[in-house]
Amino acid sequence: AQSVTQLGSHVSVSEGALVLLRCNYSSSVPPYLFWYVQYPNQGLQLLLKYTTGATLVKGINGFEAEFKKSETSFHLTKPSAHMSDAAEYFCAVRRVGDTGGFKTIFGAGTRLFVKA
Amino acid sequence: GAGVSQSPSNKVTEKGKDVELRCDPISGHTALYWYRQSLGQGLEFLIYFQGNSAPDKSGLPSDRFSAERTGGSVSTLTIQRTQQEDSAVYLCASSLEGTGGLNEQFFGPGTRLTVL
Repeated sequence: AQSVTQLGSHVSVSEGALVLLRCNYSSSVPPYLFWYVQYPNQGLQLLLKYTTGATLVKGINGFEAEFKKSETSFHLTKPSAHMSDAAEYFCAVRRVGDTGGFKTIFGAGTRLFVKA
Repeated sequence: GAGVSQSPSNKVTEKGKDVELRCDPISGHTALYWYRQSLGQGLEFLIYFQGNSAPDKSGLPSDRFSAERTGGSVSTLTIQRTQQEDSAVYLCASSLEGTGGLNEQFFGPGTRLTVL
């Protein structure tokens, strides 16, 4: 079975500070990994994804994530937080479902607060 | 349409009533997903459609929940005899699904269901 663990349901940073949102996964096969962002009263938007190849993945809005197989991690970072980054962030792993098709398993989410 | 749309945006109902939630996916997207997001929880997978068939219904929490998709487009999620624990935001997503299953899922804004 695959699962996704996001460490910290809430993270608070100052504007301009480093953003680090942690995600660990368990997978019996090489995973496909995703980060999504959800702004208030909106659906989820894809930030970035890892499939194969380069382990450092760059996404939208200056975010990036690094796939570390040895640590089973896919942490999301941004060098300098902006007020507009305040949102909820979800890490996800995608796998083939038991009856075909692809199922995405989401972490519980981390709410990012940015202080002025 | 330009994106995934869901209706209604908010639904308040009394315990025991039936409700129908609608999802209009992006035109041409063959895959459609329903998720449930409860307060403080991550996204819980409910059901996946490929075309009009549902190869994976494993996430439906009880037989009070059902979903259908017609014409390879619009989908309806029906909850019968609603209970208070059904209160949540129900999210729909669609994607171009081909081999590999790595196509981006595009999410709708969700329907917030409140069962009194």
